[in-house]
Amino acid sequence: DAKTTQPNSMESNEEEPVHLPCNHSTISGTDYIHWYRQLPSQGPEYVIHGLTSNVNNRMASLAIAEDRKSSTLILHRATLRDAAVYYCILRVGGGADGLTFGKGTHLIIQP
Amino acid sequence: EAGVAQSPRYKIIEKRQSVAFWCNPISGHATLYWYQQILGQGPKLLIQFQNNGVVDDSQLPKDRFSAERLKGVDSTLKIQPAKLEDSAVYLCASSLSTLNYGYTFGSGTRLTVV
Repeated sequence: DAKTTQPNSMESNEEEPVHLPCNHSTISGTDYIHWYRQLPSQGPEYVIHGLTSNVNNRMASLAIAEDRKSSTLILHRATLRDAAVYYCILRVGGGADGLTFGKGTHLIIQP
Repeated sequence: EAGVAQSPRYKIIEKRQSVAFWCNPISGHATLYWYQQILGQGPKLLIQFQNNGVVDDSQLPKDRFSAERLKGVDSTLKIQPAKLEDSAVYLCASSLSTLNYGYTFGSGTRLTVV
């Protein structure tokens, strides 16, 4: 199974940028890097995904290392509503592409 | 676009009873997934459908869990008989059949077995 490693928790202040790291040293060439977040009592929510190049959307930015063995999710200006568990997951090819969730990073935002 | 719909939102049953969960994915999404999320853990994949066929059910406890997606749209997950350890949130997700696309999850059904 493709695996990722994330810190258990991180803390940041409101209105400051947040950089959430993820290591995926066993990534294959066709695996996509996906990020999801889960707020309390809700299902996971798609945040962003990428393959090789950095990606931006309205929620966040994804910075992917040149060797693709690590990536960083960037929240440019954290708000209290960004407090959640963030999961970095590899979506692998081959038909059976169900996401394998780890424990994720519990992001705490201080006002 | 409308999200992934799941029902019921909550369910409480006694052990050894049966229960069923329903999921309606986003229109046009060929791939549908059921996940089990036990409190404090990340979601665990139970089964993946591609249209109305099963792609992966390797982690589905087949002695008590069953799932179907008869017309390639809605899906039902059933537990019979339920055990205390089945208490969890059951999440449904759908996606297009391409790696270059995100999943959309429903809000889940919270099952409590007493």
